[in-house]
Amino acid sequence: AQTVTQSQPEMSVQEAETVTLSCTYDTSESDYYLFWYKQPPSRQMILVIRQEAYKQQNATENRFSVNFQKAAKSFSLKISDSQLGDAAMYFCAYRSAVGLLWGYALNFGKGTSLLVTP
Amino acid sequence: EAGVAQSPRYKIIEKRQSVAFWCNPISGHATLYWYQQILGQGPKLLIQFQNNGVVDDSQLPKDRFSAERLKGVDSTLKIQPAKLEDSAVYLCASSLAGGQGANEQYFGPGTRLTVT
Repeated sequence: AQTVTQSQPEMSVQEAETVTLSCTYDTSESDYYLFWYKQPPSRQMILVIRQEAYKQQNATENRFSVNFQKAAKSFSLKISDSQLGDAAMYFCAYRSAVGLLWGYALNFGKGTSLLVTP
Repeated sequence: EAGVAQSPRYKIIEKRQSVAFWCNPISGHATLYWYQQILGQGPKLLIQFQNNGVVDDSQLPKDRFSAERLKGVDSTLKIQPAKLEDSAVYLCASSLAGGQGANEQYFGPGTRLTVT
């Protein structure tokens, strides 16, 4: 079974600064997807960014970017120019891409709580 | 387009009582997931449907939990009888059936269950 580890239970960043959230995973598969989800207090899970394992180029979405190190099985999220609205729980998730035509469920880490201070 | 709908948003019950949660996925999404999120943890899959068929229910405590997705649209998750450790947020998500569309799961707002 694949495991996802987020070693930072809490992180803090000042507004306009940059913060990096860490994620490592364990898998024997070669084909998979990695995700970062944001969960604000409203509990609605929102997809932040997605990375396909077969792509060497790191994904970027506006102020959010990832550092994907496949050999090291590391997938960190960098948030630039942090805003107060970025405060939330951030979950790293793994999804297999092998086998089922319709895809597998997500395997989540325990999350990192991000606090943004003015 | 409308998102994934869930009800109720909150539920408080006593142990040994029964409870049911409802989910209406995004129109056209063939795949539906129920996740359990215990406080301080990430969501964990309970059951996955493809249309009205079960794809994965390996982590569903079948002695007390049941789920159905009649007609391949709405789904209901039931707990009977509830235990204290069932206190959690129950998240429903949906996605397209296959291809690149299956990569994005859309989540509902969740139901927070408290068992006393």
